[in-house]
Amino acid sequence: IAGITQAPTSQILAAGRRMTLRCTQDMRHNAMYWYRQDLGLGLRLIHYSNTAGTTGKGEVPDGYSVSRANTDDFPLTLASAVPSQTSVYFCASSLTGGKSDTQYFGPGTRLTVL
Amino acid sequence: AQSVTQPDIHITVSEGASLELRCNYSYGATPYLFWYVQSPGQGLQLLLKYFSGDTLVQGIKGFEAEFKRSQSSFNLRKPSVHWSDAAEYFCAAPNFGNEKLTFGTGTRLTIIP
Repeated sequence: IAGITQAPTSQILAAGRRMTLRCTQDMRHNAMYWYRQDLGLGLRLIHYSNTAGTTGKGEVPDGYSVSRANTDDFPLTLASAVPSQTSVYFCASSLTGGKSDTQYFGPGTRLTVL
Repeated sequence: AQSVTQPDIHITVSEGASLELRCNYSYGATPYLFWYVQSPGQGLQLLLKYFSGDTLVQGIKGFEAEFKRSQSSFNLRKPSVHWSDAAEYFCAAPNFGNEKLTFGTGTRLTIIP
């Protein structure tokens, strides 16, 4: 069982370029999440989806968009990358999206925007 | 809004010594509280969680945490640490608005021989 996979593992990107981070889960979880991790700030929620076809904004959604066309995939798109989006990005999933859920995390994507 | 605070940025302990990592929360009702661990270069993994019942919660890898309402705390403990426990530890709780997890800023644990 793979759990959650993320691609790419790392990426260096020129400012202004468009980038999509991919996330796939094989646990048939309803809810999925995108976080960014920055030193001293912990993890901050970017966007989430409680079920296929729905998405919601987290704490830091500006500059990012998501879609949830099916249960398994939850891509995160940076339409025009800026240096402040340099971070490590984690995708996670949970069974229902409820507040007692355990979240399962992918290995992360390290993104550098120059 | 609910929040969690981890007052210690970095803690160093000797292998075999006991460990306590602090987490304070702000919440009106009985909170849902979580501890996650992040080993170097990896994603987060759940250690334990609390949302009702016995205030002493057992988790994986020999960790436990105790919910103390009077102190608004949910501290993580381990009686004897191993070198493999070196990692970053995050306390988390769902916020009021969307009930999604808010993470503390983390405590980095270093183990010395």
